[in-house]
Amino acid sequence: DGGITQSPKYLFRKEGQNVTLSCEQNLNHDAMYWYRQDPGQGLRLIYYSQIVNDFQKGDIAEGYSVSREKKESFPLTVTSAQKNPTAFYLCASSISGRAAGELFFGEGSRLTVL
Amino acid sequence: KQEVTQIPAALSVPEGENLVLNCSFTDSAIYNLQWFRQDPGKGLTSLLLIQSSQREQTSGRLNASLDKSSGRSTLYIAASQPGDSATYLCAVLPYNTNAGKSTFGDGTTLTVKP
Repeated sequence: DGGITQSPKYLFRKEGQNVTLSCEQNLNHDAMYWYRQDPGQGLRLIYYSQIVNDFQKGDIAEGYSVSREKKESFPLTVTSAQKNPTAFYLCASSISGRAAGELFFGEGSRLTVL
Repeated sequence: KQEVTQIPAALSVPEGENLVLNCSFTDSAIYNLQWFRQDPGKGLTSLLLIQSSQREQTSGRLNASLDKSSGRSTLYIAASQPGDSATYLCAVLPYNTNAGKSTFGDGTTLTVKP
C-alpha cells in the first residue's frame, strides 16, 4: 500500500532536548511538507522540499530543522530553540510542488514537552 | 496574502439531513482547492480535489463546488450519517507560486446525531 508513514505517533520531550520526527513516503512524490497543528487552528507550514537536497522555510520555521537526503524521507528536528513545541505535527507529500498536485498526509505525530 | 475562512466553526445536525459546509478565500487566482476530513487525533484524509478549470467534483455522497469569481467553495454532504462526524478542512493552492504552499482554513467540526 502506498502512503506516508510518520513515527513515532507519540513523543515526549524534556525541555532543552532536540527530537526528530520521521516521515517516509512510498508514493514517489517529489514534494514533501511539514505542518504544525494546534488545537482549534488550521495547519501552519514549517518547511517544505520540492526536490532532494533542497528545502525552504515555511511560515513558522524558527526552532525547526529538516533534511532531504533521499526522495522518500523528510525528517523534522524540533530543536531546543523552539519555544512552544507541544503540538500535532503532520507530514504531507504531493507529486510536484510546482505542478501542485493533490496533497496526501500521514497520520501525524503528537509531541508533548514535559 | 491568501486567507481561507470556514464558517461555521461547528455544526450539529440530525442523521439523514443534507448539509453544506462553506469555504471562502480572498485571492481567486488559485491552482486548485482540496477538501479534507480529519478525525480526532488523526491525519488528514483527502476527500475531493477541484482543479481551477473545474466547477465541481463528486464522490459518493459528497459534492464539492468551486466558484473562483466569488472566492467560494462548498462541500455538500447528502443523507448525513453519524460516521460523517469529523472536522472538515479546505485548502487552497494559489496559482502564482513555484511551490506547493497550500493555505488551510481552520475547519468546520461536524457532529451528526443518531
